[in-house]
Amino acid sequence: GQSLEQPSEVTAVEGAIVQINCTYQTSGFYGLSWYQQHDGGAPTFLSYNALDGLEETGRFSSFLSRSDSYGYLLLQELQMKDSASYFCAVRAGYSGAGSYQLTFGKGTKLSVIP
Amino acid sequence: EAGVVQSPRYKIIEKKQPVAFWCNPISGHNTLYWYLQNLGQGPELLIRYENEEAVDDSQLPKDRFSAERLKGVDSTLKIQPAELGDSAVYLCASSLSAAGTEQFFGPGTRLTVL
Repeated sequence: GQSLEQPSEVTAVEGAIVQINCTYQTSGFYGLSWYQQHDGGAPTFLSYNALDGLEETGRFSSFLSRSDSYGYLLLQELQMKDSASYFCAVRAGYSGAGSYQLTFGKGTKLSVIP
Repeated sequence: EAGVVQSPRYKIIEKKQPVAFWCNPISGHNTLYWYLQNLGQGPELLIRYENEEAVDDSQLPKDRFSAERLKGVDSTLKIQPAELGDSAVYLCASSLSAAGTEQFFGPGTRLTVL
């Protein structure tokens, strides 16, 4: 089976930096994804890490350490519109099921305050 | 480019009634996914299609849930009969292929079973 752990809630001030951690346990690991979901909205893709290290995309960065089964999403220069839920998701492969399956964590609700 | 389209957006039914959800993926996307999302949780995969073939339906409760993607384009997910515990958001997603690292989600159908 697979399990992912991430904080349920985080609050940060507008303009600040926040880090959302994710630890996972899985077999057949291929990579770690991050998705953003506003209330009532669709999850939208933010990033994918297959290799160790930091990937930067604008104000958002994502990090992966495969040896530690750990990753994080870093949001800089926080804006009010960043208030949303953030999900880490493990991409794992199963020989019996075909190729890959994405398993999501329970999500971290980020509240950005003025 | 149009995104993933789902209908209806909201559905309220009484328990034991049937219900169906429709999804039209992004044009050219061969892989289609149906997810269930409970409040405060991450999406959970129900079924994955490669073109018209269901290649991973291990999480689909087959006694009451069924799905089809007859021409390898749009898809329908059905519940018959619905139970109180089926109240959730049903999300459809698509990707270019099973190897695609980014999944594109539709806005979902919020089902309430009374």
